[in-house]
Amino acid sequence: SQQGEEDPQALSIQEGENATMNCSYKTSINNLQWYRQNSGRGLVHLILIRSNEREKHSGRLRVTLDTSKKSSSLLITASRAADTASYFCATDPRDDKIIFGKGTRLHILP
Amino acid sequence: EPEVTQTPSHQVTQMGQEVILRCVPISNHLYFYWYRQILGQKVEFLVSFYNNEISEKSEIFDDQFSVERPDGSNFTLKIRSTKLEDSAMYFCASSLVRGDGLHFGNGTRLTVT
Repeated sequence: SQQGEEDPQALSIQEGENATMNCSYKTSINNLQWYRQNSGRGLVHLILIRSNEREKHSGRLRVTLDTSKKSSSLLITASRAADTASYFCATDPRDDKIIFGKGTRLHILP
Repeated sequence: EPEVTQTPSHQVTQMGQEVILRCVPISNHLYFYWYRQILGQKVEFLVSFYNNEISEKSEIFDDQFSVERPDGSNFTLKIRSTKLEDSAMYFCASSLVRGDGLHFGNGTRLTVT
């Protein structure tokens, strides 16, 4: 069954603005991860937040997790052209099957 | 930085033919995965592999698919009789610890004609 679902499907913002992407999931999880994919390339792991954590930072990335609402958000601050990519959340639902959502396509406008 | 490598980068095959997609995971990693992505859409889980056996597989991973770690470094995905709908990007991934972030290769684009 589908786990993570990102929202919005696509997002265009001006360079320098903040980008927020959301992810909702259905079942209990051990952790939630965010990945980036540049066109035609493999996915790159960005950040992992465990089910007992509420917020985590890494550079310009801020991830929140609300297990009561089964949702997470990824905030990219001060966006740059190089941030243009697709962003996926992935959930680890307590088995060895890490499931990805459909992704958010982020486009940073110059 | 160590990386996951996949070969070939692009494979074209005729319907009904067997294909083997190859991956070399990061050397000290213990958990191995195959995913596929059709036309830049969602990334679909196929199979996970640990301790020389399949630990989880999806509905997509039917008896036409198999995985093997033949020599302690390579991790292969075999599709016995390809169908048109098997056309996709196939990604290999590995991790050191279960539940850790996955390291992905750059994928093999499989085109079935």
